[in-house]
Amino acid sequence: AQTVTQSQPEMSVQEAETVTLSCTYDTSESNYYLFWYKQPPSRQMILVIRQEAYKQQNATENRFSVNFQKAAKSFSLKISDSQLGDTAMYFCALVPRRDDKIIFGKGTRLHILP
Amino acid sequence: DAGITQSPRYKITETGRQVTLMCHQTWSHSYMFWYRQDLGHGLRLIYYSAAADITDKGEVPDGYVVSRSKTENFPLTLESATRSQTSVYFCASSELTGADTQYFGPGTRLTVL
Repeated sequence: AQTVTQSQPEMSVQEAETVTLSCTYDTSESNYYLFWYKQPPSRQMILVIRQEAYKQQNATENRFSVNFQKAAKSFSLKISDSQLGDTAMYFCALVPRRDDKIIFGKGTRLHILP
Repeated sequence: DAGITQSPRYKITETGRQVTLMCHQTWSHSYMFWYRQDLGHGLRLIYYSAAADITDKGEVPDGYVVSRSKTENFPLTLESATRSQTSVYFCASSELTGADTQYFGPGTRLTVL
C-alpha cells in the first residue's frame, strides 16, 4: 500500500522565521512524483512545489524549497522568510506513475503569527 | 471565464435524494478528478478520468457515479445521498497525466440532512 504521512497536524511560527514541514511516504514504485499543495483559508488549493523522484536536485520555488531524501522516503518543505500569507493548510502528495492516482497526506495546518 | 469552475458552491439536500455536482474546465486538460475533503482525512480521490469516456475509481468511489461525455465537463452524481456524504468536494484537472500539476476548482460544500 502507498501512504503519505504528515506527522505535524498543526504548527505556528513568527513572521519572517523559517519553518519546515515534514512528510514521509511509502511506495514500492521507482517512478513517482511528489507534491506540496497549499490550501489557504479561501479553500482554493494551489501547487507549491513539484519534485520528480528520479531527479536528485531538490526543487525550489522562490521562498519554498524541499529536502528530498529518496532512500529515507522523506520529502520535507522549507518555507523561508515566512509571511502572513503563508498561513494555510499544507498537503504533501504522492503520485506513482504506474497508475497516476494521487495520494494525499492529512495535512499540516500552518499559522504565521505577526 | 478561463479556468476550472464548480457548481453549485453550496448545496443542502436530504437523505435519499439525487444530487449532481458540476465541474467545468476551459483548458482542454486530459485528466479530471473528484475529491472529497473531510476533517482528519485530508483529500481522498473519488473518481478520475484520463479522457472523455474513460473513467476509473479512486479510493472512495462507493455511492458516487461519474461520466465524461465531453473533455471539459466531469459531473459527479450522488445517486441516493447519505449523511456520510456531507463533505467539501473538489474537482481538479491536469494537462496530460495524473502526475502533472493539478488545478483545483473552488469546491462545493455539500450538506446532507
